[in-house]
Amino acid sequence: GDSVTQMEGPVTLSEEAFLTINCTYTATGYPSLFWYVQYPGEGLQLLLKATKADDKGSNKGFEATYRKETTSFHLEKGSVQVSDSAVYFCALSGGNQFYFGTGTSLTVIP
Amino acid sequence: DAGITQSPRHKVTETGTPVTLRCHQTENHRYMYWYRQDPGHGLRLIHYSYGVKDTDKGEVSDGYSVSRSKTEDFLLTLESATSSQTSVYFCAISSSGHDGNQPQHFGDGTRLSIL
Repeated sequence: GDSVTQMEGPVTLSEEAFLTINCTYTATGYPSLFWYVQYPGEGLQLLLKATKADDKGSNKGFEATYRKETTSFHLEKGSVQVSDSAVYFCALSGGNQFYFGTGTSLTVIP
Repeated sequence: DAGITQSPRHKVTETGTPVTLRCHQTENHRYMYWYRQDPGHGLRLIHYSYGVKDTDKGEVSDGYSVSRSKTEDFLLTLESATSSQTSVYFCAISSSGHDGNQPQHFGDGTRLSIL
């Protein structure tokens, strides 16, 4: 069945460092892909999305490209800030369910 | 932000008691979902609704029931709460089903503790 696998955390980076959080997926059809962010005590917030191969989603300096050939949707940011500290979830919409990864915790230190 | 309100935000109750959580939306979206979030498990789907009075089970539906009598309200009931149901519960809404390309939007969650 469909599934999403994202890199284990936690991830700790210094401010202004480059961020990559890996996400790969398995799907039988042509899913849409999403990244969500969750701050402490809050629900998941949509960060960006891509609905077809080669689409690039972007928001708040974060980017992810839908790569069908590698079944990946890695999240990147060129220069992280302390305020980016949160848990990030990769998700897939397809088949008969919405699938979420288990989340990657990011801590950015000054 | 999507208009989703979950109530209560926090609840502590005892084993064996019934508990009802409410999700209210102002977006007139057709699809509504209940998830639970637990460490090491990520988000797991409990039940979902694809219209008024139309609901279906998710992967962890045992011990839970739902009802949707109006578009805007989706209720989750624990008929007889157990300690294993201690969790954070999230409601989500979407304008398209899970095979569409629209995202789900989440409420702020209900933290439920069962002693």
